[in-house]
Amino acid sequence: SAVISQKPSRDICQRGTSLTIQCQVDSQVTMMFWYRQQPGQSLTLIATANQGSEATYESGFVIDKFPISRPNLTFSTLTVSNMSPEDSSIYLCSVEVTLGGEQYFGPGTRLTVT
Amino acid sequence: TQLLEQSPQFLSIQEGENLTVYCNSSSVFSSLQWYRQEPGEGPVLLVTVVTGGEVKKLKRLTFQFGDARKDSSLHITAAQPGDTGLYLCAGGNNNDMRFGAGTRLTVKP
Repeated sequence: SAVISQKPSRDICQRGTSLTIQCQVDSQVTMMFWYRQQPGQSLTLIATANQGSEATYESGFVIDKFPISRPNLTFSTLTVSNMSPEDSSIYLCSVEVTLGGEQYFGPGTRLTVT
Repeated sequence: TQLLEQSPQFLSIQEGENLTVYCNSSSVFSSLQWYRQEPGEGPVLLVTVVTGGEVKKLKRLTFQFGDARKDSSLHITAAQPGDTGLYLCAGGNNNDMRFGAGTRLTVKP
């Protein structure tokens, strides 16, 4: 397994601003992912954070809105840019310890945009 | 379109009752995971099943993977309030994992 931490755990932000969420893992992992979970909903994959190259985004998500960094095998950031109330959600990072194996999740970042 | 369908969507039962939740798909998966998520936390992995027909037990929880590897069930015996949470199934193929919409379980004392 893996121990994953996220910062901040929650934030309240103004419309039009940006927030960067950090994800730190206690061991080197190949695959890191970012998900969004809207209130009462399941998980929606935003993108796969690739180390040393650009993230791979899912349909409906673009780099300008959700830029992602992955400088090494234990750390990634997700930025939510030019926020609107519709971006209010829980943002979760996850990792795969073994390729194609189970995913382990961080505790999430609860974002509220006013 | 949801690749994995979970049912029921909501379930509220009394402590001590048994329950089964389902995860169905038209796709074949190389593996399937079940997670439980409590409010304010990230999903926690409960089990992974990989072989068609496989049954795994985790204390009062029994997980089954369908013979064709398209569906799975989670049975809880003598449910307790601590079992309350969102139960998510996730199917994986070649580094592509998709989540169901979840079953939100409430166990009343």
